[in-house]
Amino acid sequence: DAGITQSPRHKVTETGTPVTLRCHQTENHRYMYWYRQDPGHGLRLIHYSYGVKDTDKGEVSDGYSVSRSKTEDFLLTLESATSSQTSVYFCAISENGGAGGELFFGEGSRLTVL
Amino acid sequence: SQQGEEDPQALSIQEGENATMNCSYKTSINNLQWYRQNSGRGLVHLILIRSNEREKHSGRLRVTLDTSKKSSSLLITASRAADTASYFCATDSSASKIIFGSGTRLSIRP
Repeated sequence: DAGITQSPRHKVTETGTPVTLRCHQTENHRYMYWYRQDPGHGLRLIHYSYGVKDTDKGEVSDGYSVSRSKTEDFLLTLESATSSQTSVYFCAISENGGAGGELFFGEGSRLTVL
Repeated sequence: SQQGEEDPQALSIQEGENATMNCSYKTSINNLQWYRQNSGRGLVHLILIRSNEREKHSGRLRVTLDTSKKSSSLLITASRAADTASYFCATDSSASKIIFGSGTRLSIRP
């Protein structure tokens, strides 16, 4: 299995609080992705990174920010969590990205915003 | 809206039968991939087909791609109970961005 660790795996928080999810990889892959998964919507891309300090927006980036200060870590931050951000968040990594790159997924982080 | 849309949303078949799932997408692509997700787990890569390929096989999996119709199909032959899962297509609309569809939930009845 690809070395991807997401933390925390479960979190319950209140509306308006900041939340940071961490994705850590040991594969030295260039590309890293954050997706959210909600019933009826499949996976939707939030942000992605194509290198250290190189990030871009995905389909549903509003309310989220990311940072990648080193190859192995990709952080997803909700500056002020809302109930609509209750979801399961998946991190994925890829060696080649869109150039035929297979994604390897973490086990997910379940976030509940009350 | 999402790049890929799977059809049907849910499929229930008898063990041993073949399962076919379809994926339609909106913009031109370089590659299309299929992934599988068991309940509560992360997705696992099944197969990749490039835009210049029309068909690809991997074990009991057969994938087709029709770029003129912007569609792909995934066929699982001789289904087994362990094939029960959700299946997603994913397309790369740019060099780095990989977008998923909404998925097909497949149930295999014993």
